[in-house]
This record gives sequence, C-alpha cells and structure tokens, in this order.
Amino acid sequence: AQRVTQPEKLLSVFKGAPVELKCNYSYSGSPELFWYVQYSRQRLQLLLRHISRESIKGFTADLNKGETSFHLKKPFAQEEDSAMYYCALVGSGTYKYIFGTGTRLKVLA
Amino acid sequence: GAGVSQSPSNKVTEKGKDVELRCDPISGHTALYWYRQRLGQGLEFLIYFQGNSAPDKSGLPSDRFSAERTGESVSTLTIQRTQQEDSAVYLCASSLAGMNTGELFFGEGSRLTVL
Repeated sequence: AQRVTQPEKLLSVFKGAPVELKCNYSYSGSPELFWYVQYSRQRLQLLLRHISRESIKGFTADLNKGETSFHLKKPFAQEEDSAMYYCALVGSGTYKYIFGTGTRLKVLA
Repeated sequence: GAGVSQSPSNKVTEKGKDVELRCDPISGHTALYWYRQRLGQGLEFLIYFQGNSAPDKSGLPSDRFSAERTGESVSTLTIQRTQQEDSAVYLCASSLAGMNTGELFFGEGSRLTVL
C-alpha cells in the first residue's frame, strides 16, 4: 500500500534547539519525496524536495531508502518555523501525490 | 491571477443540498488536483486532471461527488445531496504537466460545513 506516515501530531521545541520531524513512507518503486509547509493563515506551499538536494530556511531532509524515511531537520529552530508540516510522495511516472497527516511544529520562546 | 484561486472560501449548507466548488488554476498549468482535508486529518486525494481529462478519479468517495474541467482551466467539484461527513476543507492544486517531481501550487481552500 502507498502510504506516508508522520507519527507526531504535535512537536514542541524551544527556540535554538534542534528539530526533527519524522516521515516514513511505504511505496513499491522509487518515489520522489517532498516536504510542504503551511504557516498560519497562509496556503500550503512547497518547502523542499528530495530531488533538488536543497536546504531551505535552514531545513534539510535526507532520503534513507533502507529505512524508507525522509525526516526533516533543522539544527536551530526559530519561532517563525512554527507551522504545519506535511511529508508527501509521488511515484515515478505518476501524478498522484500522497500526503501524510501532518505535524504541527511549535517553537517556544 | 498570480496563484490558484478557489471559491467560495466558506460555504455552509443544509444536509441534502448540492454544492459546487470552483478552482481557477495558475495559467498554463495543465495538471489540476482536488484534495479533501477533514478536521485534524491529512490531505485525501480526490481526483486529478491532465488537461480536461481525469485519468484518475480513484479518490472520489462516492457517486455523489463529481468534477469537471473545461478549457484546460477552471474546474468545478460538485457534491450532490451533501451529508455531514462531507464537511471539510476542499483544496485545489495545480502544477506544470509532465513534471511528477514538480511543485504543487495550492489554493486557500473552500471550507464546507454541512449542517
């Protein structure tokens, strides 16, 4: 079954602390992985994608095919990182993006 | 417009009534998606359009749900005989065709409340 699992509904960290948002997936094949973010009163938007190997706003995500994980990390959390984060995948050659249930990140002052 | 536009932003209706939700994608984006997000849950895939065709309708929950797209532009999601469990935010997204590694651009959603 194709599935994206985000085990944490809510993650609270203090400003300046490291943060890791977990994402595990189940997919037979080679999917592409993404992280989307929704800030308060804004629309859902792309944060980063695996294929670009990019770091956006200090966030990185490493694809671990052995563990089928794509955890999102940032070494020093900022208050403006508080948002809802969704992990998503799309299968190679397909257009059906599958989203996880999301993790709400709260960065405390 | 510059982004994906959805209307209405909020809709309250009575059980049994029909509703229509509209999506205007970004100009030039031939791929269009509808998702449903119930309170506290993730995004649930409903339907995907490539141009005016819908090769994947697998996510439509029942025959009360239908969607169409015309002119490779505007799409309408119709829910007939609404039920309380249809209450959710309905999100539309568009993307450039042929790029399954590409970015989905989302609208702000249409919040549907069925009383």
